Amino acid sequence: AQSVTQLGSHVSVSEGALVLLRCNYSSSVPPYLFWYVQYPNQGLQLLLKYTTGATLVKGINGFEAEFKKSETSFHLTKPSAHMSDAAEYFCAVSDRGDSSYKLIFGSGTRLLVRP
Amino acid sequence: SAVISQKPSRDICQRGTSLTIQCQVDSQVTMMFWYRQQPGQSLTLIATANQGSEATYESGFVIDKFPISRPNLTFSTLTVSNMSPEDSSIYLCSVAGAYNEQFFGPGTRLTVL
Repeated sequence: AQSVTQLGSHVSVSEGALVLLRCNYSSSVPPYLFWYVQYPNQGLQLLLKYTTGATLVKGINGFEAEFKKSETSFHLTKPSAHMSDAAEYFCAVSDRGDSSYKLIFGSGTRLLVRP
Repeated sequence: SAVISQKPSRDICQRGTSLTIQCQVDSQVTMMFWYRQQPGQSLTLIATANQGSEATYESGFVIDKFPISRPNLTFSTLTVSNMSPEDSSIYLCSVAGAYNEQFFGPGTRLTVL
């Protein structure tokens, strides 16, 4: 069964520093890949997605993620952290051709941004 | 992307009672989903709700505890029945997009005393 691993339940960076949140998936066939952000007391917002084509995907708020098939990874990055980036981030996958449209979520990574 | 609203946004309930959560979408959608997010945890899918058919429940969730209605293509309800403190969670609805992505409502924060 498909699984998603997010390394690090908490990541702490200084404002202005690089943000790197890690995500690995388990399937041999590359799935659809997503990153979501959840701000306190809010629902989930789609940051970006990889479906096909270019492996470097740009999303909202300056975030981007690179799909690496050889590493079964889809890590999320942002060159310079801002205080407003503090939130919970979830990586999710969905199997191509899955008519159920189910998402499998990682356990989440809480990003802390230090002033 | 679809705009999704949920009611209520939060509630505090007594054990043994039931709460019905409403999910409204601004466009017609085939597939809607209900999730539970326990404190400090990731999302767990409760069920998939398609209009015109019975909801499909995930392992560990049963219709008697979480009855779902899907009367039309823009609306769904989830009822949390006979609540206990363990049901204290955020409940989220979502709808499917073109590439299996999902768009989420703001969530309903439930506290059971």
